[in-house]
Amino acid sequence: RKEVEQDPGPFNVPEGATVAFNCTYSNSASQSFFWYRQDCRKEPKLLMSVYSSGNEDGRFTAQLNRASQYISLLIRDSKLSDSATYLCVVRDFNKFYFGSGTKLNVKP
Amino acid sequence: DGGITQSPKYLFRKEGQNVTLSCEQNLNHDAMYWYRQDPGQGLRLIYYSQIVNDFQKGDIAEGYSVSREKKESFPLTVTSAQKNPTAFYLCASSLRDRTDTQYFGPGTRLTVL
Repeated sequence: RKEVEQDPGPFNVPEGATVAFNCTYSNSASQSFFWYRQDCRKEPKLLMSVYSSGNEDGRFTAQLNRASQYISLLIRDSKLSDSATYLCVVRDFNKFYFGSGTKLNVKP
Repeated sequence: DGGITQSPKYLFRKEGQNVTLSCEQNLNHDAMYWYRQDPGQGLRLIYYSQIVNDFQKGDIAEGYSVSREKKESFPLTVTSAQKNPTAFYLCASSLRDRTDTQYFGPGTRLTVL
């Protein structure tokens, strides 16, 4: 079983749509949680950390459910520039575990 | 500017040759990591180091070697024993604080001819 699992997509949505990604993790003792964005042939870049109380950064909202071992990312009012692969990342002590990513295509 | 640099950006190697990928950071991070990414795949951990002169194998260490002689530097050698080395190699660093995230370099794209 993989430590972090994501739906690979792709999610094809029109501009202005709201889209949600989900991610599950296997280790209930995991300490920290993040969403990264990766553009084609580029390095991953931190989008936002995920806190138990939920957190928002502009059009992006992240949620963590420790009981269900589930992380989500909601993108409102999608822009063309949001097209990328979104990686769910979990930190266990000194190691980071990456999901394989969910690809988002935002279309005009 | 603080950050992580990797060189070269593109690297071509003949089969049977060893090659060393550079990774340098000026973020004063203790921990450094090497990952491999294949097309359409997630990141897989090759090696990581929490402190100078110490490092641990990740999930796919066979055919790779590393050193950590300085806090700022964590070079990766891809040896001829690595059967399928063509991939995108990413170096990352973080604080040892368990709440901190990782920061990535721009990557090196290695192609074996």
